[in-house]
Amino acid sequence: NAGVTQTPKFQVLKTGQSMTLQCAQDMNHEYMSWYRQDPGMGLRLIHYSVGAGITDQGEVPNGYNVSRSTTEDFPLRLLSAAPSQTSVYFCASKSSTDTQYFGPGTRLTVL
Amino acid sequence: AQSVTQLGSHVSVSEGALVLLRCNYSSSVPPYLFWYVQYPNQGLQLLLKYTTGATLVKGINGFEAEFKKSETSFHLTKPSAHMSDAAEYFCAVSEGYTGNQFYFGTGTSLTVIP
Repeated sequence: NAGVTQTPKFQVLKTGQSMTLQCAQDMNHEYMSWYRQDPGMGLRLIHYSVGAGITDQGEVPNGYNVSRSTTEDFPLRLLSAAPSQTSVYFCASKSSTDTQYFGPGTRLTVL
Repeated sequence: AQSVTQLGSHVSVSEGALVLLRCNYSSSVPPYLFWYVQYPNQGLQLLLKYTTGATLVKGINGFEAEFKKSETSFHLTKPSAHMSDAAEYFCAVSEGYTGNQFYFGTGTSLTVIP
């Protein structure tokens, strides 16, 4: 199993650009989520999904969209990037035993 | 609503000394509790978790934590620190088997002094 994979690892955007952060898992987990990690603030939940076709907002959803067309994939879209979205983004999936498995992260810089 | 408080954003210990990282939580339902470790430029790795049953849980790398309901605490300990323990540690809570959202503390950076 590859576990949770994320692409790209690094990305630099200009203000106003859009992009999609990719996340995939091969463990057949129903629950997937996106977090952002900022210094001194821990991890904050952006969006999550409890299964294909079902998504919901987390603590900090503004400026981000998600969709879940398959169990494996959970992409995160930035519609119009802003400097405040400079962060490290982690995708995670959760097993039936409630353990979350995290991807390696995407480091995003918005200029 | 759930929340997690980690006391001390930075903790320094000498190699071989006791490691104690504090975590307090608030939860309106029986919580599931977790400790994760993050090494530089890496994702989060599960150290240990409490769901039900024995309140003292043992994890990887010699770490353990005790769930104390009366104190709403889930402190992480290790009897003897090793240089390789230097990392960022995060406590997290979820709403037990009824919930899907995880709530993380702000993290504690552990430094081990040789």
